[in-house]
Amino acid sequence: GAVVSQHPSWVICKSGTSVKIECRSLDFQATTMFWYRQFPKQSLMLMATSNEGSKATYEQGVEKDKFLINHASLTLSTLTVTSAHPEDSSFYICSARVIAGVGRYEQYFGPGTRLTVT
Amino acid sequence: AQSVAQPEDQVNVAEGNPLTVKCTYSVSGNPYLFWYVQYPNRGLQFLLKYITGDNLVKGSYGFEAEFNKSQTSFHLKKPSALVSDSALYFCAVRDRAGRRALTFGSGTRLQVQP
Repeated sequence: GAVVSQHPSWVICKSGTSVKIECRSLDFQATTMFWYRQFPKQSLMLMATSNEGSKATYEQGVEKDKFLINHASLTLSTLTVTSAHPEDSSFYICSARVIAGVGRYEQYFGPGTRLTVT
Repeated sequence: AQSVAQPEDQVNVAEGNPLTVKCTYSVSGNPYLFWYVQYPNRGLQFLLKYITGDNLVKGSYGFEAEFNKSQTSFHLKKPSALVSDSALYFCAVRDRAGRRALTFGSGTRLQVQP
């Protein structure tokens, strides 16, 4: 089956530093990857959509300069939280989309990364 | 636009009793509907999906869901709840083409009491 991995699974960083989260599709190529954010006891909110080789599209209210997304290859997308603050503490989940047929797509989720900013 | 509503923040049920977790949706055209489960500090686990065909969809761990087009609902059900079913459940929707990412409901916490 389609497997999506994330690294690290959890990270603690100090306020003001930057943190990079990697998302990899292990056994398939993903032209599109999505990044979600989940606050404690809340739902997953889509942050951005990244297409391989092009700039990410951010959802309304998401700061593109703070959450840098790079999708340099068909199997790797990275999310960098720049100048992190405690309010950025959250569970970040990536998702990879694969073509399942003509005009059809399937979406697979990574295990998530818990970010805690102190 | 696509959206999902899960009207219950929490559902409590006794072990062995049937459970229902409610979900209604809004999407342009015909929907693809999904249920996921999330355990504490873990990622999402896929339970089941409706694409087309039978309105009753069977999934993992004995769960099933019924698609009702007229009521735009996709309620999750299980005939006999287990304590280990206690978790956070998310309903999600997207349009059939899948050009947009899945949109999730707010989640329902299921608590199964022994």
